[in-house]
Amino acid sequence: KNEVEQSPQNLTAQEGEFITINCSYSVGISALHWLQQHPGGGIVSLFMLSSGKKKHGRLIATINIQEKHSSLHITASHPRDSAVYICAARFMDSNYQLIWGAGTKLIIKP
Amino acid sequence: DTGVSQDPRHKITKRGQNVTFRCDPISEHNRLYWYRQTLGQGPEFLTYFQNEAQLEKSRLLSDRFSAERPKGSFSTLEIQRTEQGDSAMYLCASSPSGAGVDTQYFGPGTRLTVL
Repeated sequence: KNEVEQSPQNLTAQEGEFITINCSYSVGISALHWLQQHPGGGIVSLFMLSSGKKKHGRLIATINIQEKHSSLHITASHPRDSAVYICAARFMDSNYQLIWGAGTKLIIKP
Repeated sequence: DTGVSQDPRHKITKRGQNVTFRCDPISEHNRLYWYRQTLGQGPEFLTYFQNEAQLEKSRLLSDRFSAERPKGSFSTLEIQRTEQGDSAMYLCASSPSGAGVDTQYFGPGTRLTVL
């Protein structure tokens, strides 16, 4: 069964802290997405990766194919980073369907 | 316009009524997806189009749900005889064609409330 799990479910941190959100998946994938969803529902795609590491500004995404695990890191966190972060996987047995994690609600306090 | 647009943004309806939502993808994006998201949950895949062809449909999409993309551009999602359990955010996403993996670009969503 294709499954995606995220942890933690909720995360509260102080401004400036280094943030890590984890995502694990059950079987082989062809791609993994990290997305950000703000209150009000807008979803923004942050990263799509199938191997290695990607960096954009203060955001870093890594994936370990052998361990079926991906992490999203935020350096020098800021209150505007407060949002729900979701990982979603495209499994090799489906060309089109994304299986979504439940999301991690991140709150950064000033 | 450089993004995915959805209309309406909010819809309140009475149980039993039919509703129709529209999604306009990014120009030249061949792939179009519909998702449904309920409060506190991640989006659930509903259906996928490549051009005008509906290639995949989730079991979540009951007989009351139908989606079309007649000319391979905009898409509509219709829900007939709405139920309170249909209340959710309906999200549309599009992505360009091409081999390999892709990035989906999401619209703002249509929030449906069934009374």
